[in-house]
Amino acid sequence: AQKVTQAQTEISVVEKEDVTLDCVYETRDTTYYLFWYKQPPSGELVFLIRRNSFDEQNEISGRYSWNFQKSTSSFNFTITASQVVDSAVYFCALSEKRANAGKSTFGDGTTLTVKP
Amino acid sequence: GAVVSQHPSRVICKSGTSVKIECRSLDFQATTMFWYRQFPKQSLMLMATSNEGSKATYEQGVEKDKFLINHASLTLSTLTVTSAHPEDSSFYICSALDRSPYNEQFFGPGTRLTVL
Repeated sequence: AQKVTQAQTEISVVEKEDVTLDCVYETRDTTYYLFWYKQPPSGELVFLIRRNSFDEQNEISGRYSWNFQKSTSSFNFTITASQVVDSAVYFCALSEKRANAGKSTFGDGTTLTVKP
Repeated sequence: GAVVSQHPSRVICKSGTSVKIECRSLDFQATTMFWYRQFPKQSLMLMATSNEGSKATYEQGVEKDKFLINHASLTLSTLTVTSAHPEDSSFYICSALDRSPYNEQFFGPGTRLTVL
């Protein structure tokens, strides 16, 4: 069975602070995908990143960066110099990779509030 | 990236009525689509896997007679909430799996159902 744990329920920071959102996962699959999504108040899921289990290279995209550590089963997300527009709920998700699979298991989400 | 649409985006109905939600993959064919449900301030929970031309596979605890799923074509899956009650009020999100080797999953914008 798959499980995704986002231990931080809510985080509040002041604008321009850096913030890291934690994600720890469990799976028995050797091949899997990890995702981060942003869900603003409108509700629509915004895809941020996908990482497959064979690619442990960290990634940076503008103010966003991701740290994938297979040894600790973690896929943490850091926002540098946070902005008010970053306020949203962020979900980490795990997807199995088998034929016609792909259904995702989501963490409980972390609500990030960035105050001006 | 690929686009998945949902219609309607919001629906308000009276208790006892049935509501149909459509999920369409606009620029790709999807043999597999997923339906998720999200209660306020909670995570996304997978309800069922919809396979084109065959019966849907429901997750444990989801009533198949309550939530009817039809995947009649490679671009359309529908979820019908039958005899809706206030406890069915929720945010329903579909996703579609593409047929690339990555089996990428693309999410729709969601449908907010309110049952009075």
